[in-house]
Order: sequence, then C-alpha cells, then structure tokens
Amino acid sequence: DADVTQTPRNRITKTGKRIMLECSQTKGHDRMYWYRQDPGLGLRLIYYSFDVKDINKGEISDGYSVSRQAQAKFSLSLESAIPNQTALYFCATSDHRDRGNEQFFGPGTRLTVL
Amino acid sequence: RKEVEQDPGPFNVPEGATVAFNCTYSNSASQSFFWYRQDCRKEPKLLMSVYSSGNEDGRFTAQLNRASQYISLLIRDSKLSDSATYLCVVTTTGGFKTIFGAGTRLFVKA
Repeated sequence: DADVTQTPRNRITKTGKRIMLECSQTKGHDRMYWYRQDPGLGLRLIYYSFDVKDINKGEISDGYSVSRQAQAKFSLSLESAIPNQTALYFCATSDHRDRGNEQFFGPGTRLTVL
Repeated sequence: RKEVEQDPGPFNVPEGATVAFNCTYSNSASQSFFWYRQDCRKEPKLLMSVYSSGNEDGRFTAQLNRASQYISLLIRDSKLSDSATYLCVVTTTGGFKTIFGAGTRLFVKA
C-alpha cells in the first residue's frame, strides 16, 4: 500500500461548488503539505502543517482552507471553486528529524473546475 | 526573481548522450539541496541529494557551488527511461522552507 494516499484521484466540478481533497499517510511523519502544480509554474505551496495544532499559509493560500484532523490526515478545501483552480494537487509529508526535509508525495489529484 | 531557477528545456538528446542541467538559487541561507524526478502526470520523487563535495550515483552526478549559488546534475549514457522532468529543490536550515524549481524536461530518444 502507498505511504501517502490522496482521494479523489480525479474530480470534475462546477464553478461555485465546495470541494474537499483528502490526504492520508502511514509514514508517521509530523509535517504535511499541500501543493498545486500548473504547467510551466512548477509546484506552488498552498498550506503546510508542522504538527496537528499548526497550520500555516503558503505562497498561494487565497481561495483555499485546510484541516489537520490527525497527524496522519490533512485535507484541503476549496470553498467556492473557480476555473483557475483547475490544476494537479499534491499532498506531501516530511519528518522534522530529517534535516534535509525530504518530502514524500502522494499520487496527486487532478481537479477540473468548469 | 524566482528563488530557484531552472532552464525549462526541453532537452532532446539521443540515447547514450551526456546531458547537464543547472539550477540557481537566491537565498544564501539555503542549507540542503536536492534533485527530484517527476514522470509525466506522476508525483515527484527524490533522485539524489547534492553535497558541496559532489556526489555520484551510477550515471548521475550532482554538484553544488555555494559561492556561485548553483547546483548541477549530470546524466551520462542517457537511457530512454531517463525521460522525465527534473526538479531542483532547495531547503533552508531546519527544513522550514523548501522551494521547488519549475523543472527541466528531458526527452531521450532512440
């Protein structure tokens, strides 16, 4: 089984709908991240959490919110989806004991907002 | 200016060729450096860490030049399976901030 899982893997929705993307990990890592990836722009950080009670905005948090329900779960919500939120979304984890902060990624969620 | 910059490519090379990618970073507090590989529509995965002394893993060699703030990746004897996007990644001390470059695309052709 994969160490970092994301659900759903693909989602098509309409403008204005609320969407939740979920991430679970079995690696025992304390740090979790949400990124979006757009062609030519690379990975951009949306939110990150260094432990269950810690939530931080990343580079592009507007229009998104997150919830860290447990050490192993980190969900991303789009309260009112808009077409320019169409992208590939990745969840990642890392361990604070790793000085290099190697990140382990989930398989991604491809979101299309019509 | 982006904190981590890479030539987006694409690099189109024949099998067996040697290809080099460069990456520059702007934050002098950067502490750890990596190359990740990302296959089309897949998640990024760590390829190798980059050390000041340089490190080699089979056909792959990574170098770090702290004075000039650039990182390089050399791939020798390219294989078809090396076709992917290579991401340069820089982390500040303590791992509090990790920046991914936009990636360099490589196509290796028979």
